[in-house]
Parts: sequence; C-alpha cells; structure tokens
Amino acid sequence: DSGVTQTPKHLITATGQRVTLRCSPRSGDLSVYWYQQSLDQGLQFLIQYYNGEERAKGNILERFSAQQFPDLHSELNLSSLELGDSALYFCASSPGQGLSYNEQFFGPGTRLTVL
Amino acid sequence: AQTVTQSQPEMSVQEAETVTLSCTYDTSESDYYLFWYKQPPSRQMILVIRQEAYKQQNATENRFSVNFQKAAKSFSLKISDSQLGDAAMYFCAYREQTGANNLFFGTGTRLTVIP
Repeated sequence: DSGVTQTPKHLITATGQRVTLRCSPRSGDLSVYWYQQSLDQGLQFLIQYYNGEERAKGNILERFSAQQFPDLHSELNLSSLELGDSALYFCASSPGQGLSYNEQFFGPGTRLTVL
Repeated sequence: AQTVTQSQPEMSVQEAETVTLSCTYDTSESDYYLFWYKQPPSRQMILVIRQEAYKQQNATENRFSVNFQKAAKSFSLKISDSQLGDAAMYFCAYREQTGANNLFFGTGTRLTVIP
C-alpha cells in the first residue's frame, strides 16, 4: 500500500459524459501527478500540481482539467468523453519540488471505460 | 524531448534463473534519475529500483540490480534468482533532476516466469 488513494476504482460511462476522478496523496506530500495508461499511448504524464498550484502540463487534452484543493487532494475532470479516453488513470504523489530525490508513489488507479 | 525506449516487448525466464531487461533513453541533461517500475496484474505501479545519474555505482535492491551506462544512455535491470512473483510488466522511467518532475516511461517489457 503506497498510501495514495484513488476513487472510484472503476468507472463506466457513456460517450459525451463528464466524470471526476479523485486522488488523496500520502500524508505530507505536496505534489500530485496524474498519468494516463492506455493500450495505444502507454503511460503518459498529464498534469502536476504542487501545493494547490499547477506546476507542469503534459499531454493533457483541453477536455480534461484538474485541480488540487487546500487539503491537498486532487481531482481530474474529464468531459465530453470519447471512446479513446478509456484508460487507467493513475495519481502519484511526492514530497515536493526541488528535493534531491522526490520519489513518486502511485495510487491503485481508476479504470475508466467509455461505452 | 526525453524519450525512453524498451526494445523488448516480452521476455521470459526460468524460475531461479537470471534475466536482464533493457532500456535506453535520450536526454541532453547531465543530472537526472532513472527508475524501474513493476506493474503486476493488479495494475499497481511498484518502484523496484532507482538510480541517480551522478552516482557511478550501480544501484542494487536485493535480487534486483541495474547496469547504468551513462555515456551509452543505457539502464538495464537484472533480476537474479527469478521468482514466480516477478512476473509482471516492467517499465523503465526517466525524470529530470530539476524543472518538471514528471516521469517519462518506456513502453514496457512483459516478463513471464516459467516454473
């Protein structure tokens, strides 16, 4: 158990819908990262938040957005869903920016299926 | 852009034998971190081993060790005395030391352990 929690574990929805994935980082970790793992794109970085602020963006679609709240939990919002958005979405947390090591601890993932 | 290449989509090893998984990467940075993650059927991402680029000594964690060749930009994982529980997808990952802290992943190698 990494200490990172993600809900829900599974999500099945229809095209055009909107969903919210939730992540609670390890106690004390300030950084949250979102990754998408799909069959055709592999594991890709989407976005990073540090202490409530966006710090880095990867291959995140405009239909996707995220935020980190004062209690440091994060939500990833996916809208106008398409079949190709079906994937495993991971959240990872780490202690913070600028540290020499900064290992990322991964949550168990949310499996999104778009029908 | 940083790229990570795993040229072996699948590998197999006899139980108790040794296997080496290959990884190469491309970067213009001199300081960075390299990781091997294991993803068993449960889909959890588990850190196996890490290597700091400034360290010449190869990292070792019990039965897992790496062969880090900085000039060649090569980072292979050796698993000794393979066990059935080692069967999983293995991902090589790269992270910059400064700036964006996100991980860049390879496409993975599926390891099968034959009893």
